[in-house]
Amino acid sequence: GEQVEQRPPHLSVREGDSAVITCTYTDPNSYYFFWYKQEPGASLQLLMKVFSSTEINEGQGFTVLLNKKDKRLSLNLTAAHPGDSAAYFCAVEANTGKLTFGHGTILRVHP
Amino acid sequence: EAAVTQSPRNKVAVTGGKVTLSCNQTNNHNNMYWYRQDTGHGLRLIHYSYGAGSTEKGDIPDGYKASRPSQENFSLILELATPSQTSVYFCASGEDWTSAETLYFGSGTRLTVL
Repeated sequence: GEQVEQRPPHLSVREGDSAVITCTYTDPNSYYFFWYKQEPGASLQLLMKVFSSTEINEGQGFTVLLNKKDKRLSLNLTAAHPGDSAAYFCAVEANTGKLTFGHGTILRVHP
Repeated sequence: EAAVTQSPRNKVAVTGGKVTLSCNQTNNHNNMYWYRQDTGHGLRLIHYSYGAGSTEKGDIPDGYKASRPSQENFSLILELATPSQTSVYFCASGEDWTSAETLYFGSGTRLTVL
């Protein structure tokens, strides 16, 4: 079955620096990719979902890159601020509809 | 806005006891899910449901039962709780199983089994 590895498990950056979280997956039939954000004490909320036909997706203050050849998905926070401090989870959905989550990354942004 | 509410937020149980975790959603979503979150494992799917009266086994169903008595409510039942079931449990609802379904999560229940 699908294996999703997410790195790093913990990440600490200064305000204004970039922060990159990466997930690699194994199933070449994976088609949908998600990033969820979990703020302290809160529930997971969808940050972005991308499809295998799109390689670069930009949100507010972040970019999601998908490299299908390397089976790699990354979340790049371009200028992190303390409000970005949270746990981030990638999730990968194969064309079977089965969703597999990464183990999560706890990001801490220092003022 | 989508709303998924879990209760209780925290629970301490004894080994061998029965535990019921409750989840209510006001999204009118057909699909509901129970996950557990453990360090080093991320979120793992325990049970899910396509609608009232339906329950399906996820990836790690052993030791758990589920009940979906209505569109809004989905319960996770531990008949004989064990310390290995100490974890944080998340309920989620989703609107479309077939394509890139967005999940709406509750705030989680922290369960400790002594």
